[in-house]
Amino acid sequence: DAKTTQPNSMESNEEEPVHLPCNHSTISGTDYIHWYRQLPSQGPEYVIHGLTSNVNNRMASLAIAEDRKSSTLILHRATLRDAAVYYCILREGLWGTGRRALTFGSGTRLQVQP
Amino acid sequence: NAGVTQTPKFQVLKTGQSMTLQCAQDMNHEYMSWYRQDPGMGLRLIHYSVGAGITDQGEVPNGYNVSRSTTEDFPLRLLSAAPSQTSVYFCASRRLAEETQYFGPGTRLLVL
Repeated sequence: DAKTTQPNSMESNEEEPVHLPCNHSTISGTDYIHWYRQLPSQGPEYVIHGLTSNVNNRMASLAIAEDRKSSTLILHRATLRDAAVYYCILREGLWGTGRRALTFGSGTRLQVQP
Repeated sequence: NAGVTQTPKFQVLKTGQSMTLQCAQDMNHEYMSWYRQDPGMGLRLIHYSVGAGITDQGEVPNGYNVSRSTTEDFPLRLLSAAPSQTSVYFCASRRLAEETQYFGPGTRLLVL
């Protein structure tokens, strides 16, 4: 499975934008980039995913580098509820054929200061 | 929709005991999976299923069995609990044709 590299921790202030980086230099052409987050004592929660183009949804934006070797999750206005561990995951292209589960690393712990 | 539900929320076992962790989803998802999460680490895949009657091993299957007799349920059985199986267990599901995976709230297991 292709690997991702994320900073162990980041800090942000409430109501400011947050940019969470992820490096994935060994990504292949069919790997999807997924982001999940895990709030304390909860199961992971889907945030966003993309393949080549930048993506926006109600939770966040995903900016993907042109060479796809890195990506950035953008939270436009951090709230205290956004404090969580954020996982950047590469999901191989053959999603429906079995052994293509999400491979979690150790993620980035985001702290949000009031 | 209740989404993905897991029972129990917390369980203490003695070494050698067996038990079943329950997982159910009401979204008619074909794909279901079990992960374990050890302290300070990411999740690791134990077993998964792409539909009723079909199961397969993940990254860390030893010591665990699964079955999928219905679309809704995917129980995880610990055959003979060991302290190394102390962990938080998460069940997840998704539609085969979609990307988004939904996780349950987890079962915290302590094996003494």
